[in-house]
Amino acid sequence: NAGVTQTPKFQVLKTGQSMTLQCAQDMNHEYMSWYRQDPGMGLRLIHYSVGAGITDQGEVPNGYNVSRLNKREFSLRLESAAPSQTSVYFCASRNTRDGYTFGSGTRLTVV
Amino acid sequence: AQSVTQLDSQVPVFEEAPVELRCNYSSSVSVYLFWYVQYPNQGLQLLLKYLSGSTLVKGINGFEAEFNKSQTSFHLRKPSVHISDTAEYFCAVSDTDSWGKLQFGAGTQVVVTP
Repeated sequence: NAGVTQTPKFQVLKTGQSMTLQCAQDMNHEYMSWYRQDPGMGLRLIHYSVGAGITDQGEVPNGYNVSRLNKREFSLRLESAAPSQTSVYFCASRNTRDGYTFGSGTRLTVV
Repeated sequence: AQSVTQLDSQVPVFEEAPVELRCNYSSSVSVYLFWYVQYPNQGLQLLLKYLSGSTLVKGINGFEAEFNKSQTSFHLRKPSVHISDTAEYFCAVSDTDSWGKLQFGAGTQVVVTP
């Protein structure tokens, strides 16, 4: 059971570069989310999705776009990376009445 | 909208001693409550959750938490900790009608020493 798989695990970007963080789950979950984790701030919700083609903004959506083309995959795109987006990013999915299952994270550094 | 406050940023504790991590929340509607643990360089793992029913919730690794609606708290306890319990612990809450949005506290770092 793979659960939630995130790629890549590490990434260094230059300011202004773009990239897409990939997330896939094999648990047939409807709900998926992207969070960022920064020291002393816990995890903050960036965007979430309640099903294929349906997404909504979370607490800190600016600078990020998401895509949910199918039930299994939910990608996060940074169009023009900024140093403030240096963080650890987590993807998570859940079914109706359980807590979220988290991926192992992507550590992103923007220089 | 809801918010979560974890009252201690760091809790040092000796091995085999009890530990309590405090969590308070604010919300105008009914909530679901969660505790997650994060070991170094790993993702988050669910320890336990309160959805409904008994206010005393038992989770994995000997942890338990009690939901107190009047005090809007969901404190986590373990009667005897091990070195392996050294980790960061996060309390989280979601409204019962907005499952997509899980609000996290800032986390409590537990350091267990011999």
